[in-house]
Amino acid sequence: NFILTQPHSVSESPGKTVTISCTRSSGNFASDYVQWCQQRPGSSPTTVIYEDDQRPSGIPDRFSGSIDSSSNSASLTISGLRTEDEADYYCQSYDSSNHRWVFGGGTKLTVL
Amino acid sequence: QAQLAESGGGVVQPGGSLRLSCAASGFNFSRYGMHWVRQAPGKGLEWVTFIRYDGNNEYYADSVKGRFTISRDNSKNTLYLEMNSLRPEDTAVYYCASQRFDFWGQGTLVTVSS
Repeated sequence: NFILTQPHSVSESPGKTVTISCTRSSGNFASDYVQWCQQRPGSSPTTVIYEDDQRPSGIPDRFSGSIDSSSNSASLTISGLRTEDEADYYCQSYDSSNHRWVFGGGTKLTVL
Repeated sequence: QAQLAESGGGVVQPGGSLRLSCAASGFNFSRYGMHWVRQAPGKGLEWVTFIRYDGNNEYYADSVKGRFTISRDNSKNTLYLEMNSLRPEDTAVYYCASQRFDFWGQGTLVTVSS
């Protein structure tokens, strides 16, 4: 079993770039894909990154995902921040050892 | 356009039962594994259970194993979650989602309270 740890909150100004980290407690991200979900206040989640670095159709290229094997962490980077990006962001991965899907605790992004 | 619509939520007493449904449209439901994910009030997302596209394998979070049962009817494009022995800590919005979390429903609220 592993847990995914995210910062509780981050904030940045419009037009800037922000990176949200997601650290895996054990095991290896290289063995299982990471997804990132966005949840705006009062709305259901939507996926902004799947399979580590792929964007679903309709997600702007301001959103990008990456994996750093050396630190066993994943990152979501949002460039050209807009007020509409203000939301909770969750990383998620699959634990193939016991067939469980794991979510990080979520990061609240404030754009001010 | 893919859509998922949950229903069946409500208020139930501790120890009670409830059955949630998730109606799928706009995509080939029978080719997708499906999840239930829940979110307690003011809390983060918690994965609950998954069923393979053909219904032949199911997986559960430890917190619900033995109490919840996921199932599907591909002829009706519908996913189900049978919840028994409900506890106050099961209070949450329950979402259905497709295998890679491509599609999410709008959620249905389950409140377990006396």
